[in-house]
Amino acid sequence: NAGVTQTPKFQVLKTGQSMTLQCAQDMNHEYMSWYRQDPGMGLRLIHYSVGAGITDQGEVPNGYNVSRSTTEDFPLRLLSAAPSQTSVYFCASSFSGRTRDEQFFGPGTRLTVL
Amino acid sequence: AQKVTQAQTEISVVEKEDVTLDCVYETRDTTYYLFWYKQPPSGELVFLIRRNSFDEQNEISGRYSWNFQKSTSSFNFTITASQVVDSAVYFCALLGPGSSNTGKLIFGQGTTLQVKP
Repeated sequence: NAGVTQTPKFQVLKTGQSMTLQCAQDMNHEYMSWYRQDPGMGLRLIHYSVGAGITDQGEVPNGYNVSRSTTEDFPLRLLSAAPSQTSVYFCASSFSGRTRDEQFFGPGTRLTVL
Repeated sequence: AQKVTQAQTEISVVEKEDVTLDCVYETRDTTYYLFWYKQPPSGELVFLIRRNSFDEQNEISGRYSWNFQKSTSSFNFTITASQVVDSAVYFCALLGPGSSNTGKLIFGQGTTLQVKP
């Protein structure tokens, strides 16, 4: 099992550009989520999905879109990048998202917006 | 509201010293889980431990130990005989049904531990 994979590992964008951060898991997990990590703030939830076709907003959703067409993939889209989106992004998955389930994290994507 | 506070922003110790990382949480849920993650300089998040709210037994794993006290809403992490490889950012996190099954982990701000040789 590869676990949770993320691509790319690093990315530099200019303000206004768009891009998609990819996340995939091969553990047949229903629940997937995206977090961003900023200095001194820990990790904050952006969007999450409890299954294919079902997504919802987390704590900091503005500027990001998601969709979940398959169980395996949960891409995060930046439609018009802003410097405030400079961050490290982590994708996570768990069996169902409930309290008893361990969450597995991907290796992260470091994004810089100039 | 749910909240996790790691009041220690940075800690610096000399190798072989013991060090305790503090974690205080707030929740109205009666059922919840607490976690500790390690983030080494390479950047990935490494799961260390998960503890549910009904199990207040302390846990020891090698040089690592965890002290869970519901009375003070604390879940502290102690590294005994620290090593340079323990240098990392450590996060405490909370997951509870108050998250409405969002699976939303509430993270503390993180504590940066530097272990000097």
